[in-house]
Amino acid sequence: ETGVTQTPRHLVMGMTNKKSLKCEQHLGHNAMYWYKQSAKKPLELMFVYSLEERVENNSVPSRFSPECPNSSHLFLHLHTLQPEDSALYLCASSQGISYEQYFGPGTRLTVT
Amino acid sequence: AQSVTQLGSHVSVSEGALVLLRCNYSSSVPPYLFWYVQYPNQGLQLLLKYTTGATLVKGINGFEAEFKKSETSFHLTKPSAHMSDAAEYFCAVSNGGATNKLIFGTGTLLAVQP
Repeated sequence: ETGVTQTPRHLVMGMTNKKSLKCEQHLGHNAMYWYKQSAKKPLELMFVYSLEERVENNSVPSRFSPECPNSSHLFLHLHTLQPEDSALYLCASSQGISYEQYFGPGTRLTVT
Repeated sequence: AQSVTQLGSHVSVSEGALVLLRCNYSSSVPPYLFWYVQYPNQGLQLLLKYTTGATLVKGINGFEAEFKKSETSFHLTKPSAHMSDAAEYFCAVSNGGATNKLIFGTGTLLAVQP
């Protein structure tokens, strides 16, 4: 595997389910990000991890819970989501948070 | 604080015509500037970047952008549009500091008409 990978690519879940999104970067980077991309809305930065520590949490509801167990892996744990949480969730990584980010292909999440 | 503005959320060009996507930034220090492209249901892909040095930057797929400090702009151009260029394009800015992350624009959707 090369670059940034995300699994699953598609996920359909009910509002009472618990699921997790996984991101893995094979680039040796030290920063990782979660973004939410909804139709007709700007890209929304959700969480930033630098050197495995969360450095930013942009007022994201607690039903989204990130986890960064090491510099190569990032998870987004989901529980009791709402239909408006349906979106493309993108993971990215970079070497230092000021530099270019490399994105995964995203997980298309549908909440029913 | 930095910010980036992309003028025109939708741009339509004919195949073979010039592509011009506009990006203006605000930064109190010399910026790092980036253009990304996103095809449907995919992640963002880096097209090109400016950090220091030559102000005209060439990227992939025939795109280029010029950093103009006096105009605080970093417009993306391509001399001749191809159907495969239809996608959404995002401009981003940072200032290269240890704690300052990239700020993305709202995106410009490029349509290419046959």
